[in-house]
Amino acid sequence: SQTIHQWPATLVQPVGSPLSLECTVEGTSNPNLYWYRQAAGRGLQLLFYSVGIGQISSEVPQNLSASRPQDRQFILSSKKLLLSDSGFYLCAWKEGWDRNSPLHFGNGTRLTVT
Amino acid sequence: RKEVEQDPGPFNVPEGATVAFNCTYSNSASQSFFWYRQDCRKEPKLLMSVYSSGNEDGRFTAQLNRASQYISLLIRDSKLSDSATYLCVVNSINAGGTSYGKLTFGQGTILTVHP
Repeated sequence: SQTIHQWPATLVQPVGSPLSLECTVEGTSNPNLYWYRQAAGRGLQLLFYSVGIGQISSEVPQNLSASRPQDRQFILSSKKLLLSDSGFYLCAWKEGWDRNSPLHFGNGTRLTVT
Repeated sequence: RKEVEQDPGPFNVPEGATVAFNCTYSNSASQSFFWYRQDCRKEPKLLMSVYSSGNEDGRFTAQLNRASQYISLLIRDSKLSDSATYLCVVNSINAGGTSYGKLTFGQGTILTVHP
Protein backbone atom coordinates (compact mmCIF):
# COMPACT_ATOMS: atom_id res chain seq x y z
CA SER A 1 0.00 0.00 0.00
CA GLN A 2 1.04 3.59 -0.53
CA THR A 3 2.20 5.84 2.29
CA ILE A 4 3.29 9.46 2.46
CA HIS A 5 5.73 10.83 5.00
CA GLN A 6 6.11 14.49 5.78
CA TRP A 7 8.37 16.06 8.37
CA PRO A 8 8.80 17.76 10.71
CA ALA A 9 5.34 17.92 12.29
CA THR A 10 5.97 21.32 13.86
CA LEU A 11 8.61 23.94 13.28
CA VAL A 12 9.36 27.32 14.81
CA GLN A 13 11.76 29.45 12.80
CA PRO A 14 12.90 33.08 13.09
CA VAL A 15 12.26 35.58 10.32
CA GLY A 16 15.03 35.50 7.74
CA SER A 17 16.04 31.91 8.40
CA PRO A 18 15.99 29.24 5.69
CA LEU A 19 13.38 26.49 5.38
CA SER A 20 13.42 22.96 4.08
CA LEU A 21 10.40 20.67 4.32
CA GLU A 22 10.62 17.19 2.92
CA CYS A 23 7.99 14.77 1.73
CA THR A 24 8.40 11.23 0.46
CA VAL A 25 5.94 8.74 -0.95
CA GLU A 26 6.27 4.95 -0.86
CA GLY A 27 4.49 2.21 -2.73
CA THR A 28 3.88 3.95 -6.05
CA SER A 29 5.81 5.18 -9.07
CA ASN A 30 5.69 8.50 -10.92
CA PRO A 31 3.12 10.09 -8.66
CA ASN A 32 1.95 13.68 -8.98
CA LEU A 33 3.21 15.58 -5.93
CA TYR A 34 1.81 18.73 -4.34
CA TRP A 35 2.58 21.36 -1.73
CA TYR A 36 -0.35 23.27 -0.23
CA ARG A 37 -0.40 25.88 2.50
CA GLN A 38 -3.26 26.67 4.84
CA ALA A 39 -3.18 29.89 6.84
CA ALA A 40 -5.09 29.91 10.12
CA GLY A 41 -8.84 29.78 9.45
CA ARG A 42 -8.36 29.78 5.69
CA GLY A 43 -8.60 27.36 2.77
CA LEU A 44 -5.84 25.36 1.12
CA GLN A 45 -3.65 27.35 -1.25
CA LEU A 46 -1.83 25.38 -3.94
CA LEU A 47 1.84 26.37 -3.91
CA PHE A 48 3.55 23.90 -6.24
CA TYR A 49 2.81 20.69 -8.03
CA SER A 50 4.94 18.27 -10.00
CA VAL A 51 3.94 15.67 -12.57
CA GLY A 52 7.47 14.25 -12.90
CA ILE A 53 11.10 14.56 -11.83
CA GLY A 54 12.36 18.06 -12.44
CA GLN A 55 8.91 19.29 -13.51
CA ILE A 56 7.62 21.92 -11.11
CA SER A 57 4.60 24.14 -11.64
CA SER A 58 4.45 27.18 -9.42
CA GLU A 59 1.09 28.64 -8.53
CA VAL A 60 2.15 31.34 -6.10
CA PRO A 61 5.12 33.59 -6.87
CA GLN A 62 6.53 34.05 -3.40
CA ASN A 63 9.83 33.47 -1.64
CA LEU A 64 9.28 29.73 -1.74
CA SER A 65 10.62 27.15 -4.14
CA ALA A 66 10.11 23.45 -4.67
CA SER A 67 12.28 20.68 -6.04
CA ARG A 68 11.78 17.06 -6.95
CA PRO A 69 15.21 15.45 -6.92
CA GLN A 70 13.82 11.91 -7.01
CA ASP A 71 10.61 10.36 -8.28
CA ARG A 72 8.98 10.12 -4.88
CA GLN A 73 10.61 13.02 -3.05
CA PHE A 74 9.30 16.58 -2.97
CA ILE A 75 11.05 19.39 -1.11
CA LEU A 76 9.75 22.85 -0.22
CA SER A 77 12.37 25.50 0.48
CA SER A 78 12.88 29.12 1.30
CA LYS A 79 16.09 31.09 1.62
CA LYS A 80 14.61 33.67 3.98
CA LEU A 81 11.34 33.16 5.81
CA LEU A 82 8.80 35.94 6.27
CA LEU A 83 6.23 36.25 9.04
CA SER A 84 3.55 35.67 6.40
CA ASP A 85 5.02 32.22 5.68
CA SER A 86 3.51 30.89 8.91
CA GLY A 87 0.88 28.26 8.29
CA PHE A 88 0.05 24.61 7.92
CA TYR A 89 2.01 23.06 5.04
CA LEU A 90 0.59 19.94 3.47
CA CYS A 91 2.24 17.59 1.04
CA ALA A 92 0.02 15.37 -1.08
CA TRP A 93 0.28 12.79 -3.85
CA LYS A 94 -1.99 11.23 -6.43
CA GLU A 95 -1.58 8.63 -9.12
CA GLY A 96 0.02 10.34 -12.09
CA TRP A 97 -1.54 8.07 -14.72
CA ASP A 98 -5.14 8.48 -13.54
CA ARG A 99 -6.60 11.96 -13.75
CA ASN A 100 -9.57 10.81 -11.67
CA SER A 101 -7.54 9.57 -8.73
CA PRO A 102 -7.87 11.60 -5.51
CA LEU A 103 -5.23 13.36 -3.46
CA HIS A 104 -3.72 11.72 -0.39
CA PHE A 105 -2.22 14.01 2.22
CA GLY A 106 0.62 13.75 4.65
CA ASN A 107 0.07 14.76 8.25
CA GLY A 108 1.28 18.30 7.60
CA THR A 109 3.91 20.62 9.07
CA ARG A 110 2.77 23.45 11.28
CA LEU A 111 5.25 26.29 10.71
CA THR A 112 5.45 29.34 12.96
CA VAL A 113 7.73 32.14 11.88
CA THR A 114 8.65 34.42 14.79
CA ARG B 1 -13.55 35.07 -10.25
CA LYS B 2 -12.02 32.35 -8.07
CA GLU B 3 -11.41 29.01 -9.72
CA VAL B 4 -13.38 27.17 -7.06
CA GLU B 5 -15.90 28.83 -4.74
CA GLN B 6 -17.80 27.59 -1.74
CA ASP B 7 -20.10 29.25 0.76
CA PRO B 8 -17.91 29.33 3.90
CA GLY B 9 -20.93 29.02 6.20
CA PRO B 10 -20.96 28.25 9.03
CA PHE B 11 -23.89 25.90 8.79
CA ASN B 12 -25.34 25.07 12.21
CA VAL B 13 -27.83 22.22 12.09
CA PRO B 14 -29.44 19.89 14.64
CA GLU B 15 -28.75 16.20 14.70
CA GLY B 16 -30.85 14.37 12.15
CA ALA B 17 -31.09 17.32 9.78
CA THR B 18 -30.34 17.22 6.08
CA VAL B 19 -27.82 19.75 4.86
CA ALA B 20 -26.49 20.54 1.39
CA PHE B 21 -23.39 22.35 0.19
CA ASN B 22 -22.63 23.67 -3.25
CA CYS B 23 -19.33 24.39 -4.92
CA THR B 24 -18.92 26.25 -8.21
CA TYR B 25 -15.93 26.07 -10.54
CA SER B 26 -14.85 28.38 -13.32
CA ASN B 27 -12.94 26.11 -15.70
CA SER B 28 -15.34 24.25 -17.97
CA ALA B 29 -12.52 21.85 -18.95
CA SER B 30 -12.30 20.46 -15.41
CA GLN B 31 -12.41 16.71 -15.42
CA SER B 32 -12.45 15.38 -11.88
CA PHE B 33 -14.15 16.47 -8.70
CA PHE B 34 -13.93 15.46 -5.06
CA TRP B 35 -15.26 16.26 -1.62
CA TYR B 36 -12.87 16.23 1.34
CA ARG B 37 -13.48 16.55 5.04
CA GLN B 38 -11.07 18.39 7.32
CA ASP B 39 -11.16 18.24 11.08
CA CYS B 40 -9.61 21.02 13.14
CA ARG B 41 -5.83 21.13 12.80
CA LYS B 42 -5.72 17.93 10.75
CA GLU B 43 -5.00 17.11 7.14
CA PRO B 44 -7.97 16.82 4.74
CA LYS B 45 -9.31 13.33 4.17
CA LEU B 46 -11.16 12.13 1.07
CA LEU B 47 -14.89 11.90 1.65
CA MET B 48 -15.92 10.91 -1.86
CA SER B 49 -15.23 11.39 -5.53
CA VAL B 50 -17.97 12.98 -7.60
CA TYR B 51 -19.07 11.11 -10.71
CA SER B 52 -20.97 12.49 -13.67
CA SER B 53 -24.06 10.45 -12.92
CA GLY B 54 -24.04 11.33 -9.22
CA ASN B 55 -23.07 8.93 -6.48
CA GLU B 56 -24.04 7.98 -2.98
CA ASP B 57 -22.10 6.63 -0.05
CA GLY B 58 -24.33 5.91 2.93
CA ARG B 59 -25.74 9.22 4.15
CA PHE B 60 -23.71 11.23 1.66
CA THR B 61 -24.75 12.04 -1.91
CA ALA B 62 -22.60 13.92 -4.41
CA GLN B 63 -23.83 15.41 -7.66
CA LEU B 64 -22.18 17.10 -10.61
CA ASN B 65 -23.86 19.66 -12.87
CA ARG B 66 -21.53 20.34 -15.76
CA ALA B 67 -23.87 22.76 -17.51
CA SER B 68 -23.97 25.07 -14.50
CA GLN B 69 -20.44 24.14 -13.37
CA TYR B 70 -21.14 23.15 -9.81
CA ILE B 71 -20.92 20.13 -7.58
CA SER B 72 -22.99 19.47 -4.51
CA LEU B 73 -22.82 17.40 -1.35
CA LEU B 74 -25.92 16.31 0.53
CA ILE B 75 -25.67 14.92 4.05
CA ARG B 76 -28.74 13.18 5.42
CA ASP B 77 -29.48 12.36 9.05
CA SER B 78 -26.60 14.53 10.32
CA LYS B 79 -24.53 13.19 13.22
CA LEU B 80 -22.50 15.12 15.75
CA SER B 81 -19.42 13.51 14.22
CA ASP B 82 -20.19 15.16 10.88
CA SER B 83 -19.04 18.49 12.34
CA ALA B 84 -16.04 19.50 10.24
CA THR B 85 -15.01 21.67 7.32
CA TYR B 86 -16.03 20.30 3.92
CA LEU B 87 -13.78 21.10 0.99
CA CYS B 88 -14.48 20.67 -2.68
CA VAL B 89 -11.60 19.98 -5.05
CA VAL B 90 -11.55 20.46 -8.79
CA ASN B 91 -8.86 19.64 -11.28
CA SER B 92 -8.02 21.69 -14.32
CA ILE B 93 -5.67 21.56 -17.22
CA ASN B 94 -2.39 23.43 -17.10
CA ALA B 95 -1.55 26.43 -19.27
CA GLY B 96 0.19 24.24 -21.82
CA GLY B 97 -2.85 22.02 -22.19
CA THR B 98 -0.83 18.92 -21.45
CA SER B 99 -1.57 18.05 -17.86
CA TYR B 100 -4.55 17.74 -15.59
CA GLY B 101 -2.28 17.74 -12.58
CA LYS B 102 -3.52 20.96 -11.03
CA LEU B 103 -6.00 20.43 -8.20
CA THR B 104 -7.63 23.46 -6.63
CA PHE B 105 -9.55 23.58 -3.36
CA GLY B 106 -12.49 25.71 -2.44
CA GLN B 107 -12.16 27.67 0.79
CA GLY B 108 -14.27 25.15 2.66
CA THR B 109 -17.70 25.12 4.29
CA ILE B 110 -17.87 24.82 8.06
CA LEU B 111 -20.55 22.49 9.39
CA THR B 112 -21.52 22.27 13.04
CA VAL B 113 -24.06 19.65 14.08
CA HIS B 114 -25.54 20.26 17.53
CA PRO B 115 -27.60 18.01 19.83
